[in-house]
Amino acid sequence: DIQMTQSPSTLSASVGERVTITCRASQSISSWLAWYQQKPGKAPKLLIYKASSLQSGVPSRFSGSGSGTEFTLTISSLQPDDYATYYCQQYSSYWWTFGQGTKVEIK
Amino acid sequence: QVQVVESGGGLVKPGGSLRLSCAASGFTFSDYYMNWIRQAPGKGLEWVSYISSSSSTIYYADSVKGRFTISRDNANSSLFLQMNSLRVEDTAVYYCAREKGSRAPDVFDFWGQGTMVTVSS
Repeated sequence: DIQMTQSPSTLSASVGERVTITCRASQSISSWLAWYQQKPGKAPKLLIYKASSLQSGVPSRFSGSGSGTEFTLTISSLQPDDYATYYCQQYSSYWWTFGQGTKVEIK
Repeated sequence: QVQVVESGGGLVKPGGSLRLSCAASGFTFSDYYMNWIRQAPGKGLEWVSYISSSSSTIYYADSVKGRFTISRDNANSSLFLQMNSLRVEDTAVYYCAREKGSRAPDVFDFWGQGTMVTVSS
């Protein structure tokens, strides 16, 4: 299975700050990388697919980049609604795997 | 609007069985690949099982292979997960999720609210 590793595990940031989360794959996954946002007690929500494509309805302050084994999710200006846990996911192979998650907390 | 709604979770003893259901609406269910994903309390996401639109192709995570069975009823827009020989480590919220469908495999663009399965004596 392809292993996905996110960093950091927890991130403290203030409203308006630029936030970057990194995701590394154990082998090349081309651009088959997605990012999800999950709030407590809720289902994950798709934000980004194919490494950098914004899902319909997702604010443009979210962006993704990378290819191969290293990827980033950037929130250009953190908003109160963005405090959540973020997961990366590879879909290069049918055995989908997720990163362990990055919790974005209020500073 | 697209909706998927899971049901069937509950408390079961180790070694027991449970059948989860997922009712889909707002899209042509028979056109889409479907999956089950789970999340243990306070933990991350784990993909569990996949079924193609016609049920011709099925995959399972190693952790559930031989114990869980995924199936679907396209006539009634429903997805199922039969879970046998349940273990304490199967305790989790189980999500039903639709694949986006622009490639195979693909991302999960719609998720249900989840149903909690607790395996405990």
